[in-house]
Amino acid sequence: GAGVSQSPSNKVTEKGKDVELRCDPISGHTALYWYRQSLGQGLEFLIYFQGNSAPDKSGLPSDRFSAERTGGSVSTLTIQRTQQEDSAVYLCASSSPFPDQPQHFGDGTRLSIL
Amino acid sequence: SQKIEQNSEALNIQEGKTATLTCNYTNYSPAYLQWYRQDPGRGPVFLLLIRENEKEKRKERLKVTFDTTLKQSLFHITASQPADSATYLCALGRTNAGKSTFGDGTTLTVKP
Repeated sequence: GAGVSQSPSNKVTEKGKDVELRCDPISGHTALYWYRQSLGQGLEFLIYFQGNSAPDKSGLPSDRFSAERTGGSVSTLTIQRTQQEDSAVYLCASSSPFPDQPQHFGDGTRLSIL
Repeated sequence: SQKIEQNSEALNIQEGKTATLTCNYTNYSPAYLQWYRQDPGRGPVFLLLIRENEKEKRKERLKVTFDTTLKQSLFHITASQPADSATYLCALGRTNAGKSTFGDGTTLTVKP
């Protein structure tokens, strides 16, 4: 079956622009996660959705970052007024609702801020 | 604050040997621990999960141990192959929290 799909796979933009990153989870997965991974680093948690609600937004680094999920499916991560330090790979994962279930990851969006 | 440490950033071994990767944690009481594999340019792929009341789990050539007293998990790959070369990440979580906390990973290179 289809896995987690992220788009675009690569995004290059100028500092100060807004960007939107999209995640299509596996059908039926109610839990959805966003992570950020800088070069050679581990995964930095950003936000977690259960259905359309986000019980844990603790990882969003600033108010320039926001995310939403509609219809319990597609999620969009928006970064406003991008800065060079926002350059990273943004990974999305989905899982069935129980906390210890494996997370299924997309291949990420590589974001480069010039 | 919570801290997860995976042993040396890079581990090089000879084909056929057993690779042992370490995940240590502090200021944390996880209910479960997961291991993932990540290849360059790809998202992580789930390998194994072990719960706090389990000592050991096996899957084919993979074995994971979990010692909540030592606050440590060991991940073993027996009869390693060059195709096992990748970065391996451990992730810890609690049943009352949705998110998992990931370590920085260990990059394993298996030389023929």
